[in-house]
Amino acid sequence: QSALTQPASVSGSPGQSITISCTGTSSDIGGYDYVSWYQQHPGKAPKVMIYAVSYRPSGISDRFSGSKSGNTASLTISGLQAEDEADYYCSSYKSSSTQVFGGGTKLTVL
Amino acid sequence: QVQLQESGPGLVKPSQTLSLTCTVSGGSISSGTYYWNWVRQPAGKGLEWIGRIYSSGTANYNPSLESRVTISLDTSKNQFSLRLSSVTAADTAVYYCASLSHAATFEYWGQGTLVTVSS
Repeated sequence: QSALTQPASVSGSPGQSITISCTGTSSDIGGYDYVSWYQQHPGKAPKVMIYAVSYRPSGISDRFSGSKSGNTASLTISGLQAEDEADYYCSSYKSSSTQVFGGGTKLTVL
Repeated sequence: QVQLQESGPGLVKPSQTLSLTCTVSGGSISSGTYYWNWVRQPAGKGLEWIGRIYSSGTANYNPSLESRVTISLDTSKNQFSLRLSSVTAADTAVYYCASLSHAATFEYWGQGTLVTVSS
C-alpha cells in the first residue's frame, strides 16, 4: 500500500516554528481522525508525540501540536530546540483495518 | 507500563522463513486494550507497518506483504509472533513490535531487532 507523503526534510533555527505536512487520501487521513505523529532519534524506537490528530500524550511538551484539513495532517513544533532534531513520521488508520506510515521527515535544527 | 521485547535469529538465509517473537510484560495480550503489531525499518529508510493481531486472534496485514506474513498469539506466554516466508535481501531491516491503541496510536514499542537476510 502507498505510504503517506511527507517532505523529506525541514529545517529551522532554535526558537523558530516549523510545520511538517502529511498527505494521504480519503481512505486514510481524510476518512478518520486517527492520525498520529512519531519522533525517532537515531538508533532508537519511535515515540508518539501526537495522537488522534491533535492530542498530546502525557509528558509531551505543548510545543508540539497537530491538526488536519481534508486529506492532509500537519505537525507543528514551536520554539525549536536542539533536542527536537530527529526523524518524524506520521501514521494513519486506513480502511480495511490496516495502518500506514508516512515516508518520514528529517528535522534539522540549524 | 507495558514493555515489549523482540527476540529471534539475527540472520536468515534467502528463501527461508523469518520468525520473531515479542514478549509483553506489564499487561496481558488477552485484555483487549491493544492490538499487537509488527513494524519494520530498513537501514536509512522509513517505517513500514507489517500487520497486527487482536486478542480475539483476528489478524490484519499490509496488502503488500499479506501473501508471506502470519502473526499469531501465544496467550499462555503473553507473546505474539511474526513469520515472514520466502525472504529476500529486501526484507533486511530492524523489526519492531508495538502496541496499537483503539485510537490507532502506537503507544509502546520494543527496542527493535535487526534481521539480516544473507547466505
